[in-house]
Amino acid sequence: EAGVVQSPRYKIIEKKQPVAFWCNPISGHNTLYWYRQNLGQGPELLIRYENEEAVDDSQLPKDRFSAERLKGVDSTLKIQPAELGDSAVYLCASSLEQGEGYNEQFFGPGTRLTVL
Amino acid sequence: GDSVTQMEGPVTLSEEAFLTINCTYTATGYPSLFWYVQYPGEGLQLLLKATKADDKGSNKGFEATYRKETTSFHLEKGSVQVSDSAVYFCALSLFSGGYNKLIFGAGTRLAVHP
Repeated sequence: EAGVVQSPRYKIIEKKQPVAFWCNPISGHNTLYWYRQNLGQGPELLIRYENEEAVDDSQLPKDRFSAERLKGVDSTLKIQPAELGDSAVYLCASSLEQGEGYNEQFFGPGTRLTVL
Repeated sequence: GDSVTQMEGPVTLSEEAFLTINCTYTATGYPSLFWYVQYPGEGLQLLLKATKADDKGSNKGFEATYRKETTSFHLEKGSVQVSDSAVYFCALSLFSGGYNKLIFGAGTRLAVHP
């Protein structure tokens, strides 16, 4: 079974430029997450989707970040314009949520963004 | 707020040495606890988990026991291998706002030398 796929794996841009990351979750998973992992830190949630609905975007900097999950499958995270402080690894994860019990989140390899 | 604190790395060991990576947590309610591992160039993988006090999670020779009295979930392995070199993340999950929210520690890098 294919895991969570992310592209690109690496991206280098200059500040003020736009950038987009793409994620294809595990087939059948209804919940998709975007995390940001700063150097030397653990992942922090940016946004969570249940199917195509963003149900928790409280940590997403909405002035420059946007996300969408078309048809409840693939998702795109965009930054426009990028700032130096956006340099990080952006992780996508997916899970099959079936109620209150814990359902494992499966992570993709991430996109490493460097803003110059 | 809810948080996870784990020992700073890097941890450098020789092959077959005993490993301990400390993890403590602060949480309202009763979290589930996890260890994730991130091998070079790969995504985070769930290594083991424990869902209630005194549970012991184990996998691939690693184990950790959920200690409610000390709010800890230390990772141990009796004999590490070079292939265990990776970054290890302790995490907790709490059901909040209608879903299970994962909160990670900062990660501990382990380097095992032959």
